Amino acid sequence: GAVVSQHPSRVICKSGTSVKIECRSLDFQATTMFWYRQFPKQSLMLMATSNEGSKATYEQGVEKDKFLINHASLTLSTLTVTSAHPEDSSFYICSAREGGAVSGYTFGSGTRLTVV
Amino acid sequence: GENVEQHPSTLSVQEGDSAVIKCTYSDSASNYFPWYKQELGKRPQLIIDIRSNVGEKKDQRIAVTLNKTAKHFSLHITETQPEDSAVYFCAASRNQGAQKLVFGQGTRLTINP
Repeated sequence: GAVVSQHPSRVICKSGTSVKIECRSLDFQATTMFWYRQFPKQSLMLMATSNEGSKATYEQGVEKDKFLINHASLTLSTLTVTSAHPEDSSFYICSAREGGAVSGYTFGSGTRLTVV
Repeated sequence: GENVEQHPSTLSVQEGDSAVIKCTYSDSASNYFPWYKQELGKRPQLIIDIRSNVGEKKDQRIAVTLNKTAKHFSLHITETQPEDSAVYFCAASRNQGAQKLVFGQGTRLTINP
């Protein structure tokens, strides 16, 4: 089945620094990747939709200059949290859909970000 | 955009009894409705899904029903077992356009022995 590899699984960074999270589709081409954030005991909130070769589409209230998304190839999308603050500490997870509308969504394993 | 409402937020049932979780959605163009089970700190795990061309789907102890007219769908778990205890999320998406998957708020299900 489809696999999305997400790294790192955990990261601790200092306030003011930037952190990059990678998601790779291992055995399929992901023209679209979705990025979610999940705070403790809450739901997965869609942050942005990443499209290969074009600009990402951000959901309302998500700062595009703070959460930089790059989707340079059909198998790799990255999310960079810039100038991280403690309130950015969260579980970030990506998702892609193999085969378009006929398939379900494949999730990465998630990244636990802690900003100290 | 799509908005998915999920109820209840917490549900506690006796082992062996049935559990029902309900969701409503706002976008009439949504036509794919998956249900996920999520363990703490893990990725969501698909347990069942339904597309808008059917009204019900069953997989052993798990079933999902869809009412397109009312824009709601439900998860039914029968003969519940302790290992069913988890957080469950419903979601909805379209098969056209952005195909964004929007999640409900989640239900923490506890099965009491």
